[in-house]
Amino acid sequence: QTVVTQEPSLTVSPGGTVTLTCGSSTGAVTSGHFPYWVQQKPGQAPRTLIYNTGNKHSWTPARFSGSLLGGKAALTLSGAQPEDEAEYYCLLSYTGARPVFGGGTKLTVL
Amino acid sequence: EVQLVESGGGLVQPGGSLRLSCAASGFTFSNSRMTWVRQAPGKGLEWVANIEEHGTEKYYIDSVEGRFTISRDNAKNSLYLQMSTLRVEDTAVYYCARIHDFWGQGTLVTVSS
Repeated sequence: QTVVTQEPSLTVSPGGTVTLTCGSSTGAVTSGHFPYWVQQKPGQAPRTLIYNTGNKHSWTPARFSGSLLGGKAALTLSGAQPEDEAEYYCLLSYTGARPVFGGGTKLTVL
Repeated sequence: EVQLVESGGGLVQPGGSLRLSCAASGFTFSNSRMTWVRQAPGKGLEWVANIEEHGTEKYYIDSVEGRFTISRDNAKNSLYLQMSTLRVEDTAVYYCARIHDFWGQGTLVTVSS
């Protein structure tokens, strides 16, 4: 059973920078895992922020960026805002078209 | 405007069945891989099933294989999830999504006696 690992919780100060990571039990995360980052605020539906490692949608604030870092997928938030407080999930694709979500990172802006 | 609207959720007894529907609009549904994702109360997101554009390729998480069937009707821009032999642990909000960019608001399925 493949496990995708994320930090359970992180805290960032307003205006600060934080990096969330996403690892795979199968080894290094690569662009071939087509990493996604999904944001979910309390009581709301999820929203995809980043796809294919580092590509943004028109609705993705410029302060978010995706990359590969040290064998993991990474989501960096530069200049955190109070409205960025949310749960963030990564999603990795594996052979057989059965993707796996990470457990999520609860980000607090405080 | 893109919309994904789920329906069909509700309360069902263990062992029962339910069919979820998702009406899509505002994008080319027939060219899109579609997905069902669920979220148990207070828990994280869990991928449930994918269906490719023409409906010939379908994939499921192991825990629902043989019990759930994903399908689509491209003429009606609709996605479905037929759920059978439901278990208490299937209780969740079920989201229809084109994960690349669009998500529905979800429909709650509660399996309880």
